Amino acid sequence: DTGVSQNPRHKITKRGQNVTFRCDPISEHNRLYWYRQTLGQGPEFLTYFQNEAQLEKSRLLSDRFSAERPKGSFSTLEIQRTEQGDSAMYLCASSPTGAVDTDTQYFGPGTRLTVL
Amino acid sequence: AQKVTQAQTEISVVEKEDVTLDCVYETRDTTYYLFWYKQPPSGELVFLIRRNSFDEQNEISGRYSWNFQKSTSSFNFTITASQVVDSAVYFCALSEVGTYKYIFGTGTRLKVLA
Repeated sequence: DTGVSQNPRHKITKRGQNVTFRCDPISEHNRLYWYRQTLGQGPEFLTYFQNEAQLEKSRLLSDRFSAERPKGSFSTLEIQRTEQGDSAMYLCASSPTGAVDTDTQYFGPGTRLTVL
Repeated sequence: AQKVTQAQTEISVVEKEDVTLDCVYETRDTTYYLFWYKQPPSGELVFLIRRNSFDEQNEISGRYSWNFQKSTSSFNFTITASQVVDSAVYFCALSEVGTYKYIFGTGTRLKVLA
């Protein structure tokens, strides 16, 4: 079983540009999560999906952020009009439901965003 | 409110020493999960252990062991006979059952010197 994959691994953009990240969860994992991690800090929850439904969003997720999971498989996270404060590692995780390890999240390698 | 505190920012040990990483948590719920993850320099968070709030048994897995004490709201992690490959940032996390999101601590950077 392959793990969670994220693309791109690194993204450098200029302030004001839009960026989109993709996450492919472990197959058959119903839940998918996005977190943001800044230097020296732990990951902070942004949002999560159960299948295609976005069930919770953090206050950290401003109007410039939008996430989708259109067919309940992969997910995208878009940031519009990027700001320097958006520079961070964006982590995706997935978890199974109804399994022994339900509620255990498995993380991808992350996408590191640098906004110049 | 939920909170996870990892007071040790950075620890350095010499290879083969034992080391304990501390984790203290706060929650008003009686049903929750606690986790430890390892983040090596590559950046990917690697799952190490999950413990639910009803199971206070300590656990040992090879050189790793975990001590969960509800009375002190602590979930400490010990590495026995540390190795250079153990060098990483270790995160403790809390999740209340039914909420699914994790609350992470700020992590402890462990450096194991040869």
